Amino acid sequence: EAGVTQFPSHSVIEKGQTVTLRCDPISGHDNLYWYRRVMGKEIKFLLHFVKESKQDESGMPNNRFLAERTGGTYSTLKVQPAELEDSGVYFCASSHAGTAQETQYFGPGTRLLVL
Amino acid sequence: GQNIDQPTEMTATEGAIVQINCTYQTSGFNGLFWYQQHAGEAPTFLSYNVLDGLEEKGRFSSFLSRSKGYSYLLLKELQMKDSASYLCAVRDNYGQNFVFGPGTRLSVLP
Repeated sequence: EAGVTQFPSHSVIEKGQTVTLRCDPISGHDNLYWYRRVMGKEIKFLLHFVKESKQDESGMPNNRFLAERTGGTYSTLKVQPAELEDSGVYFCASSHAGTAQETQYFGPGTRLLVL
Repeated sequence: GQNIDQPTEMTATEGAIVQINCTYQTSGFNGLFWYQQHAGEAPTFLSYNVLDGLEEKGRFSSFLSRSKGYSYLLLKELQMKDSASYLCAVRDNYGQNFVFGPGTRLSVLP
């Protein structure tokens, strides 16, 4: 079974540009999460999809970030316009709904550097 | 507020036993997870505790005390490949998202 995949693995952009990150969850997982780790800090929650609906977006830092999950499969996270403080590693995770444990399985992350 | 503490770094010798502690203060509690993360790779699931006590899985064990807001991950018969960061994460009651600790970087020396 394929794990969570993320694309690209690395992205280097200039301040003011737009970047779109993609996450493909494990097939059949209704729950999809985005997290971010900025340099020297802990991994922090951004938002949670259940299928195509946003269940919780309380962690989104501001309106420059837009997440979508059309069709309830893969998800994209767009940053527009990017700022220096957006640099970090963006992780995606997915889990299977309906189990007590609901372990989240993580992708390898996208390393974003804004110059 | 939400706060999870772990030691930043630990060092141990190959073949030894190491215990990584995690203390948490969260607004709710619906399970505690430990993940292992090698540099540049995805965090991988190690263990899950939701009730007090010890969960054993091969060389790895995890303990939880909900009344103390405390967990530890115990690694036995350490191997060089165990050198990695170990992340403690708590799932709160109100959502399904995790609150992560800062991670403990473990170095296993020969």
